[in-house]
Amino acid sequence: DSGVTQTPKHLITATGQRVTLRCSPRSGDLSVYWYQQSLDQGLQFLIQYYNGEERAKGNILERFSAQQFPDLHSELNLSSLELGDSALYFCASSTRLAGARNEQFFGPGTRLTVL
Amino acid sequence: DQQVKQNSPSLSVQEGRISILNCDYTNSMFDYFLWYKKYPAEGPTFLISISSIKDKNEDGRFTVFLNKSAKHLSLHIVPSQPGDSAVYFCAASALRNNAGNMLTFGGGTRLMVKP
Repeated sequence: DSGVTQTPKHLITATGQRVTLRCSPRSGDLSVYWYQQSLDQGLQFLIQYYNGEERAKGNILERFSAQQFPDLHSELNLSSLELGDSALYFCASSTRLAGARNEQFFGPGTRLTVL
Repeated sequence: DQQVKQNSPSLSVQEGRISILNCDYTNSMFDYFLWYKKYPAEGPTFLISISSIKDKNEDGRFTVFLNKSAKHLSLHIVPSQPGDSAVYFCAASALRNNAGNMLTFGGGTRLMVKP
């Protein structure tokens, strides 16, 4: 158990819908990261938040957005869903913003299926 | 454009022997490298890391070697155990950017350790 929790575990929805994925980081961790794992693209970095502020952005679609709340939990919002958004979405957390020995601990993931 | 590549999708090894997993990268900005292990239905678990100022890092049965001139790293597991059977991901980060610890992952290698 990494200490990172994600809800829900599974999510099935239809094209065009909007969903929210939730992540609670390990106690004391200030950085939260979101990654997408799809069959054809592997694990891809989406976005990083540190202490409530967006700090790094990867190949995140404009239809996707995220935020980190004062209690440090984070939510990833996916809207206007398409079939290709079906994937595993992982949240990870680390202690600091950046640097060596700032290893990321991953949650169990949310499996999103868009029908 | 895959900046981190794991060219072997799978590897089968006998219990007690050495497992060698390989990873190549193309981005010269990468200066910190990590290996993660992933079991089905779980998130990736951090194994070991290495900074670009070193060429070797050891932790128990796991050793990571870095060859900067060849832009190549490898993970050695010795002796291999059946419980090591999992998918192994190589990941890289550009810490000098100081913008965060976003990780770029390779496609993974499935290791099977046969009893």
